[in-house]
Amino acid sequence: GENVEQHPSTLSVQEGDSAVIKCTYSDSASNYFPWYKQELGKRPQLIIDIRSNVGEKKDQRIAVTLNKTAKHFSLHITETQPEDSAVYFCAASLTGANNLFFGTGTRLTVIP
Amino acid sequence: NAGVTQTPKFQVLKTGQSMTLQCAQDMNHEYMSWYRQDPGMGLRLIHYSVGAGITDQGEVPNGYNVSRSTTEDFPLRLLSAAPSQTSVYFCASSYGINSGGASSPLHFGNGTRLTVT
Repeated sequence: GENVEQHPSTLSVQEGDSAVIKCTYSDSASNYFPWYKQELGKRPQLIIDIRSNVGEKKDQRIAVTLNKTAKHFSLHITETQPEDSAVYFCAASLTGANNLFFGTGTRLTVIP
Repeated sequence: NAGVTQTPKFQVLKTGQSMTLQCAQDMNHEYMSWYRQDPGMGLRLIHYSVGAGITDQGEVPNGYNVSRSTTEDFPLRLLSAAPSQTSVYFCASSYGINSGGASSPLHFGNGTRLTVT
């Protein structure tokens, strides 16, 4: 099956700085790459996703980039705020949003 | 809409006991799935269903059974609980994939925290 690796496992940034989280995947047939944010004790919530026919997608302060050749994708958060502090998971799938393979998560801490 | 509803929120079992984790969604989603979340390991797919009457195994299916008799419900059964099944369990659903190949995002329930002693 698909194998997704995520780095770093923890990330601390000053408020207002940017944060970047990177993931690699193993199966070149994967075609859907979502990012989820999970606050302590809560459920994962989708923040942005990208499909394999697109190289970049933005939504306000959040952007995702995809490099299919290198099989990696990244989450970029600009102008970070304390409420961005959470665990972020990347995922990949061969079947759209079904049957996601998740990375191991990045704990982001935004220091006020 | 309530979305994806999971019960119970917390459960403690003794080794060897059986139980069913309930999951219901009111969004008429065809696709439903169960994940377990363990520290440092992300979320791993246990079982999934693409419609009523259809189920299939995910990455870590051993020790779990599922059934999908209705579109709304997708219960997860632990046949004989083991300490290795101590985890947080999330049910998730989506509309699935349409004829054009596009899919809708996955919606998660609030989770069930299970401890097996």
